[in-house]
Amino acid sequence: GQSLEQPSEVTAVEGAIVQINCTYQTSGFYGLSWYQQHDGGAPTFLSYNGLDGLEETGRFSSFLSRSDSYGYLLLQELQMKDSASYFCAVSLNTNAGKSTFGDGTTLTVKP
Amino acid sequence: DVKVTQSSRYLVKRTGEKVFLECVQDMDHENMFWYRQDPGLGLRLIYFSYDVKMKEKGDIPEGYSVSREKKERFSLILESASTNQTSMYLCASLGGPLAGAKSTDTQYFGPGTRLTVL
Repeated sequence: GQSLEQPSEVTAVEGAIVQINCTYQTSGFYGLSWYQQHDGGAPTFLSYNGLDGLEETGRFSSFLSRSDSYGYLLLQELQMKDSASYFCAVSLNTNAGKSTFGDGTTLTVKP
Repeated sequence: DVKVTQSSRYLVKRTGEKVFLECVQDMDHENMFWYRQDPGLGLRLIYFSYDVKMKEKGDIPEGYSVSREKKERFSLILESASTNQTSMYLCASLGGPLAGAKSTDTQYFGPGTRLTVL
């Protein structure tokens, strides 16, 4: 089976840095993606790691260690609008692009 | 911009009714997916399709079927709706990277259909 573990809730203050971890146990691995979902909205793509290391996209960075089956999303200079749910997703190594999603982490940013 | 549209934002049906949820994407993507999302359970894959008329079961296919007659359209069918199928249904298509992105595995989601079965 496939399983992804991420914290259910994280709270931080504006301007701070927060890290959301994701550990996975899957049969087959192609890459790790992160999605953001605001309340009532659809998930939107944030970041992807296919290789070990850090990927930076503006205030957001994502890290992957395949040997540890672990990744994280780092959000810097937090803003109120960053309050949302964040999902990690493992792309399985099939040509159908199937992914397995974690249960999501609800981030609350306080003033 | 990739656009994935779903036929309804909100839908209310009665137990036993046949329900069709439609999804259309305009980017010529080959792979499309149907998920359901329930509080605390993340996104669970119901069915996916990697080509016209091709479909595969996801993790929770029971009670659902799908149809992919045209590349741009992927339909989810509830043959006989039940109350435990009350949920948010999300369609996604998989394609190449957005300008500046590095992923070939970006899923683009539709706005979702919140289905209530009474």
